Amino acid sequence: GDSVTQTEGLVTLTEGLPVMLNCTYQSTYSPFLFWYVQHLNEAPKLLLKSFTDNKRPEHQGFHATLHKSSSSFHLQKSSAQLSDSALYYCALSGGTGSKLSFGKGAKLTVSP
Amino acid sequence: DPKIIQKPKYLVAVTGSEKILICEQYLGHNAMYWYRQSAKKPLEFMFSYSYQKLMDNQTASSRFQPQSSKKNHLDLQITALKPDDSATYFCASSQDRLGGSQNTLYFGAGTRLSVL
Repeated sequence: GDSVTQTEGLVTLTEGLPVMLNCTYQSTYSPFLFWYVQHLNEAPKLLLKSFTDNKRPEHQGFHATLHKSSSSFHLQKSSAQLSDSALYYCALSGGTGSKLSFGKGAKLTVSP
Repeated sequence: DPKIIQKPKYLVAVTGSEKILICEQYLGHNAMYWYRQSAKKPLEFMFSYSYQKLMDNQTASSRFQPQSSKKNHLDLQITALKPDDSATYFCASSQDRLGGSQNTLYFGAGTRLSVL
């Protein structure tokens, strides 16, 4: 079945440093990958999603590149901001499934 | 204005009781879902419905029963509540079923359930 692996549970960074959150996946089909962000006491919301034509999605300074050869969709940002502190989920939509499969999430804390 | 309305926002229940979590979406979507989030299992998929038909069920316990009276409603009935059921329950929707598509999943604000 489909699965998503996020290795970092907790990530603490100083403002201005680069962000990289890892995401690898397993799927029988060619899936679509997503990053969702959840701020404290809020609902998860879409941050960005993969494209079919290998374009690199970007939003709010974040970007991610789908690498099918390594089954990865890592999230990156060149300079962390305090407002980036949140829980980040990588998710997969694959095959004929009727759900989004989420990783365990990575809690990012950005300090001054 | 929120497009996916969940009621109530907070819910406290006694062990063994029964509760219904309400969800209505006004996005015109055809597929609806329930997810659960707790400290033990972040964002765990429970059910998916498409055009009011059950598509996928990954909840082992029959104590959890979704109910869809209209296409834009998907309530969740939970019976014989246990302390382990304490979690935030998120309702979500998408334009059509997700399966291998770019359809985006939109979440409601959640119902935070505490079972004492």
